[in-house]
Amino acid sequence: AQSVTQLGSHVSVSEGALVLLRCNYSSSVPPYLFWYVQYPNQGLQLLLKYTSAATLVKGINGFEAEFKKSETSFHLTKPSAHMSDAAEYFCAVAGIQGAQKLVFGQGTRLTINP
Amino acid sequence: GAVVSQHPSRVICKSGTSVKIECRSLDFQATTMFWYRQFPKKSLMLMATSNEGSKATYEQGVEKDKFLINHASLTLSTLTVTSAHPEDSSFYICSARDLGKLFFGSGTQLSVL
Repeated sequence: AQSVTQLGSHVSVSEGALVLLRCNYSSSVPPYLFWYVQYPNQGLQLLLKYTSAATLVKGINGFEAEFKKSETSFHLTKPSAHMSDAAEYFCAVAGIQGAQKLVFGQGTRLTINP
Repeated sequence: GAVVSQHPSRVICKSGTSVKIECRSLDFQATTMFWYRQFPKKSLMLMATSNEGSKATYEQGVEKDKFLINHASLTLSTLTVTSAHPEDSSFYICSARDLGKLFFGSGTQLSVL
C-alpha cells in the first residue's frame, strides 16, 4: 500500500524567493512519484515524475524534485518564485510505473507575495 | 499532449435531482478512465475506475448506486450523481491514460442546493 503526506497545507513565499514544498511517502514497493499542479477551477497538470531513473528530476516551469530513499521524501523546489506559480500542488505515489491508481497527498496551496 | 475534456465545468442543481458529468478523451482512445472527488482543502480521492465495455470498479466506501459510471465508448465516460444531496457538492475530476501518462479533465464543480 502507498500513502503520501504533504507537510504544510499552505506555504507562502515572496516573489523571487525559494519555493520548497515537502512530500513524504510510504510504499511497500519501489515507488513512482509525481507532482501535479492545479490552478483554480482547472484539472491537474503534471509537473514532473520520478520513475527510478535519475533521483533529481526536472519538470516544467523551472520546478525540480529530488527523490531521497533514505528520507522517503520527494520535495519540490524552485529557485525563484514567480507570481504565476500560485496554485495548489499535489504529490502523488504509484506502486508501479504506469500504475492505474495514484494516491494523492492532501495538497499544498502556494501563495506568492509581491 | 493528449486532451481530456470534461463537461460541464460547473453545475448547480436542486436536491433530489440527478446530474450527469461527461469525460471525453479528444485525441486518443482510453479503455480506462478514472473519476476523482475533491473536497475543499482536501486531496483528490479516487472514486472509481471506469472500464470501457464493462462495469466500473468502485473504491471502498463509494456508493455505486449513487455514483453511476458508464463507459460506453473508448472516448467517453460519464458519471451520474443520482438523487443528489447537498453533501454531494464537490469538485469532480476525471482522468485518462495515454501512452503511460495520466491526463486530467478540467473538473466539474457540483453544487447541490
